[in-house]
Amino acid sequence: EAGVVQSPRYKIIEKKQPVAFWCNPISGHNTLYWYRQNLGQGPELLIRYENEEAVDDSQLPKDRFSAERLKGVDSTLKIQPAELGDSAVYLCASSLWTGTYEQYFGPGTRLTVT
Amino acid sequence: QKEVEQNSGPLSVPEGAIASLNCTYSDRGSQSFFWYRQYSGKSPELIMFIYSNGDKEDGRFTAQLNKASQYVSLLIRDSQPSDSATYLCAVTGSSNTGKLIFGQGTTLQVKP
Repeated sequence: EAGVVQSPRYKIIEKKQPVAFWCNPISGHNTLYWYRQNLGQGPELLIRYENEEAVDDSQLPKDRFSAERLKGVDSTLKIQPAELGDSAVYLCASSLWTGTYEQYFGPGTRLTVT
Repeated sequence: QKEVEQNSGPLSVPEGAIASLNCTYSDRGSQSFFWYRQYSGKSPELIMFIYSNGDKEDGRFTAQLNKASQYVSLLIRDSQPSDSATYLCAVTGSSNTGKLIFGQGTTLQVKP
């Protein structure tokens, strides 16, 4: 079974530029998550989707971040414009409700904003 | 007070010893508890989850949960150098909606 796929793996951009990250979850997983992980910290949830619906986006900085999950499968997370403080690893995870929310992470995208 | 707290370490143990990793959480109604392993430069990998008080064993790993004390731990028996990594504790809140709240992780070093 293929795992969560993310691209790109690395991205270096200048501040004020836009950037987008793509995620393809594990087949059949209806719940998709975007997390941000800063160095030395645990991941922090940005947004959670149940199928196509964003059910928790309370931690998403909506002035510059946006996300979509068309057709309830792939998802894209966008930042526009990027700031220096956005440098982090952006992780996508997916899960299928089986009595617990076991979440499986993709390899992540390491973003560096210069 | 952080919602999920872990000692950042590093915790250093000799090869073959038992490593004990601890985590406390603030939301008394939290329902599910997860341990992830994260190697340097890699993404978190799910090791175990537990949701009932007591112990849960999987190979060399044992998760322990004490809801009254709001405490969850991970024991690694017969530690190997390949176990050297950061271990993240994650907790779902009382709403159990799938939102995981992570601790900052404990770095484990297993010395040959």
